[in-house]
Amino acid sequence: GAGVSQSPSNKVTEKGKDVELRCDPISGHTALYWYRQSLGQGLEFLIYFQGNSAPDKSGLPSDRFSAERTGGSVSTLTIQRTQQEDSAVYLCASSLEREDTQYFGPGTRLTVL
Amino acid sequence: AQKITQTQPGMFVQEKEAVTLDCTYDTSDPSYGLFWYKQPSSGEMIFLIYQGSYDQQNATEGRYSLNFQKARKSANLVISASQLGDSAMYFCAMREGTGGSEKLVFGKGTKLTVNP
Repeated sequence: GAGVSQSPSNKVTEKGKDVELRCDPISGHTALYWYRQSLGQGLEFLIYFQGNSAPDKSGLPSDRFSAERTGGSVSTLTIQRTQQEDSAVYLCASSLEREDTQYFGPGTRLTVL
Repeated sequence: AQKITQTQPGMFVQEKEAVTLDCTYDTSDPSYGLFWYKQPSSGEMIFLIYQGSYDQQNATEGRYSLNFQKARKSANLVISASQLGDSAMYFCAMREGTGGSEKLVFGKGTKLTVNP
């Protein structure tokens, strides 16, 4: 079956612009996660959605970052007023239930000029 | 303090030989899960193997096995009969506890190079 998909695969933007990154989880997976992978910080957790529960936003680095998950499926990560330090690969993962193995998408490489 | 420590930034192995990638972890939670992921140069994170803290036996998946030593808090990945396609970054990760966020905490990774 289809895995986790993310779009765009690459995004180049100018400092100060807003960007939206999209994640389509594996069909039927109730849990969805966003992570960020950067050279200096490694892999960092950003946010977690589980069903209709309130999301765990504890990893979002600033209030410029937000995410939503519509209809329990597709998720969008929005970064407002992008900064150069936001440049990274943004990875989305999903799992069948909250304690199950997380399967990752191919990531979106964000470059802020 | 680091929750996941991978002390080998890089490892080299000859094709067809076995290799062990080290991972130690730090948690006071009795319930946790340990994962290994492979990240080739193409960038995708590929799940390899999982070990639960209450599992009595070491996990195995094909050529991958996890050497789980709970008292030492180590969860080393063993790859048998290495192949050229095994060249990649390998990440150890931990999920702590239950009842809260199921986020993974990752180590900094080990870059494995398989030589022909």
